[in-house]
Parts: sequence; C-alpha cells; structure tokens
Amino acid sequence: EDQVTQSPEALRLQEGESSSLNCSYTVSGLRGLFWYRQDPGKGPEFLFTLYSAGEEKEKERLKATLTKKESFLHITAPKPEDSATYLCAVQAGYNNDMRFGAGTRLTVKP
Amino acid sequence: GAVVSQHPSRVICKSGTSVKIECRSLDFQATTMFWYRQFPKQSLMLMATSNEGSKATYEQGVEKDKFLINHASLTLSTLTVTSAHPEDSSFYICSARDPRTAYGYTFGSGTRLTVV
Repeated sequence: EDQVTQSPEALRLQEGESSSLNCSYTVSGLRGLFWYRQDPGKGPEFLFTLYSAGEEKEKERLKATLTKKESFLHITAPKPEDSATYLCAVQAGYNNDMRFGAGTRLTVKP
Repeated sequence: GAVVSQHPSRVICKSGTSVKIECRSLDFQATTMFWYRQFPKQSLMLMATSNEGSKATYEQGVEKDKFLINHASLTLSTLTVTSAHPEDSSFYICSARDPRTAYGYTFGSGTRLTVV
C-alpha cells in the first residue's frame, strides 16, 4: 500500500531561520510527487511537482528536491507569511488520484 | 491558470437533511474530478473519483449511498451528502487536473459542512 509520511508534524521558526520539511514515501511506480501549501479553511495551493530522483525546483524562498525515497522542502529565510500547512502528495502506478501525507504545520514568528 | 470553483464555502444543515456541494472547472474541461474529506488538523483523505458520464469510484470505507456523486458534464461534479449526521461534519474539497498543463492538480476552496 502506498504510504506518505511527513515530518515534523509541526515546526516553529523565527523569521529568517532556514529549515527543511521532509516527505518520505513508499509507492510502486512513482509518477509524481507534489507539494502544496494550505492555509486554514482553504483548499491546497499548488507549489511544485517533481517527477524523478535528482530533480529540484525553486520558487521564491522555497526549494523542493527529490530522491528515490524522500523529498525535502527547503525554506530559506522564511517570513511570517510563509506560515501554513505544507502538504506532500504522491501519484503512483495507474492511479490518477493523489495520496497525501499528514502535513507539516509551519509557524514563522516575527 | 486552471481554476476550480467550489460552492458553497460554508453550510450548516440539520441532521437528516441532504446537502449538495458543487465543483466546477472554470477554464478547462475535467473528465475526472476528485473529492476529498479533511478533519481538523488532519490531511486530505480521498473519498471518491468522479468520472464524467459514468459512475464514480469510491474508496474503501466510503458509503456510496450516503455520498452521492454526479459528474454530469465536463465542467461540473456534485457531491450530495444524504441524511447528514453530525459525524459527517467536515471540510470537503474537490480537485481536478487541467490536461493542458503539466502542473499538479488544482483544488477548490473547500466546503465547511456543519451538521447540527
């Protein structure tokens, strides 16, 4: 069975304090790994899609990387507006749907 | 970019009544849409896959007679929660993928259902 595990469950940072969020996965036939940002009471907002090990993508203060077993979301010099829940999801095999991890709740203090 | 509109954003209903939630792809056609459920501080759990012109595919443990899904057109899928009970109170979110792009799936803004 496909599994997606995110860590830590919650992360509190000071503004400017860089860190990384982890998403480890065990799936058969990974087709894509997705990162989303979710604010309270809203739907997830797309950030990145990674397709193969070694791939990296960047957007402002965020950088996502992928290996054969896990993905990292690196946050450089975060700001309070980066506070949100970050969700990782995988698409695998013949399925068109995505399986989500439990998310990491990030809080950035000014 | 791809936009998915979901309505209503919030609904309160009495136990025993039914509630319909709409999910529309505004600028693209979606042959497949997905319905998720999210409890507080938990992640999204896939409920069902909605297929245009055919029956929905439900995940194990999801009652298809309780959560009726209709995908009548290439831009509209509806989820009807029938005979709602307080334990059905949750955040329901739909998603779809724009086949014109290589990006991930686009999500609606979600519907907060409260059954009293």
